Amino acid sequence: EAQVTQNPRYLITVTGKKLTVTCSQNMNHEYMSWYRQDPGLGLRQIYYSMNVEVTDKGDVPEGYKVSRKEKRNFPLILESPSPNQTSLYFCASNEAQGLSSYNEQFFGPGTRLTVL
Amino acid sequence: AQTVTQSQPEMSVQEAETVTLSCTYDTSESNYYLFWYKQPPSRQMILVIRQEAYKQQNATENRFSVNFQKAAKSFSLKISDSQLGDTAMYFCAFMDHNDYKLSFGAGTTVTVRA
Repeated sequence: EAQVTQNPRYLITVTGKKLTVTCSQNMNHEYMSWYRQDPGLGLRQIYYSMNVEVTDKGDVPEGYKVSRKEKRNFPLILESPSPNQTSLYFCASNEAQGLSSYNEQFFGPGTRLTVL
Repeated sequence: AQTVTQSQPEMSVQEAETVTLSCTYDTSESNYYLFWYKQPPSRQMILVIRQEAYKQQNATENRFSVNFQKAAKSFSLKISDSQLGDTAMYFCAFMDHNDYKLSFGAGTTVTVRA
């Protein structure tokens, strides 16, 4: 089954304690992205990756890091989480064979993060 | 950056009736994609319908249809014969022809009443 998986699904942590949210896709997609969802703001892109070892900032990258060492994995790293990073996080992936034809973006199930 | 605006934070509809959600966007691009996503209480993001900007015909998917007005930069979603399972938050989203990033509106919570 084609899917994007995220772990953990729920996480409660304290300020300053480093954490990693994993994301994996089994569709051999080139493009992967992280979004955060906040009430009244919709989803906003944090970071994205066009392929292995190619990452770039989205609209709200402050306080986050990512890496893309393998095509299937795109972890989100919070080195020193703060309460304003309490949010719902989504990983997504997309085939990237040219934007002249549409390729659906697949979303993971979401990770609810609470930073105390 | 593209801006997507959903001006209705909440809407309520009686089962079997029709509800229309509004969405406007701002872009200088001529080629792009527009989407409506459904997010039920499970939080899963589910693609409901998409529209390519170069297509004049409005997209339809079963009970879901859109009214795409390119000149007005408007993209509304009509849900016909509403069902209890349609209760969810609905997001309008924009994808530039040159990028895979989705820009989302703030969302509209739809409640279908029995």
